Amino acid sequence: EDQVTQSPEALRLQEGESSSLNCSYTVSGLRGLFWYRQDPGKGPEFLFTLYSAGEEKEKERLKATLTKKESFLHITAPKPEDSATYLCAVLQGGTSYGKLTFGQGTILTVHP
Amino acid sequence: GAGVSQSPSNKVTEKGKDVELRCDPISGHTALYWYRQSLGQGLEFLIYFQGNSAPDKSGLPSDRFSAERTGGSVSTLTIQRTQQEDSAVYLCASSPLAGAEQYFGPGTRLTVT
Repeated sequence: EDQVTQSPEALRLQEGESSSLNCSYTVSGLRGLFWYRQDPGKGPEFLFTLYSAGEEKEKERLKATLTKKESFLHITAPKPEDSATYLCAVLQGGTSYGKLTFGQGTILTVHP
Repeated sequence: GAGVSQSPSNKVTEKGKDVELRCDPISGHTALYWYRQSLGQGLEFLIYFQGNSAPDKSGLPSDRFSAERTGGSVSTLTIQRTQQEDSAVYLCASSPLAGAEQYFGPGTRLTVT
């Protein structure tokens, strides 16, 4: 069964203090790995899709990378508005194609 | 453009009552998904539609849960004889095709008293 584990569970940073969030996965054939941001009381907001090891995507202060076993979400010089829960999810194939299996999320707090 | 919309945004119901949750996907998106998010839990997959058919119902927790999609657009998730453990945020997502990125609605917060 596909498993997705995110670490740390919570991360507190000072504004401008760069760091990384980890998403490790166990799947029988990765079809895609997705990163989402979720603010309290809202639905997840799509950030990135990564399909193959070595792939990287960037958006503003965020950069997502992918290896054969894990993905990292690097946050460079974060601002308080980057505070949110960050979720990663893996895409399953076969008859469940389209179903995302989510990790538990990392709660990021950026202090001014 | 318009995103995924869900209604109601909040629903409080008594144990044993039936509830219907509605999802309006992004226009033109063929794939539609329902997830559930409980306090302290991750997102739990419920059901997936491609067009009007549901190739994957594996996540529905019991036969009290059912869903349908009509006209390849609007979807309704129905929970019969609600139980307290059904209390959660129910999220709907759509994507232009299966396997592409999913765009989520704001969710319906269901509270069963």
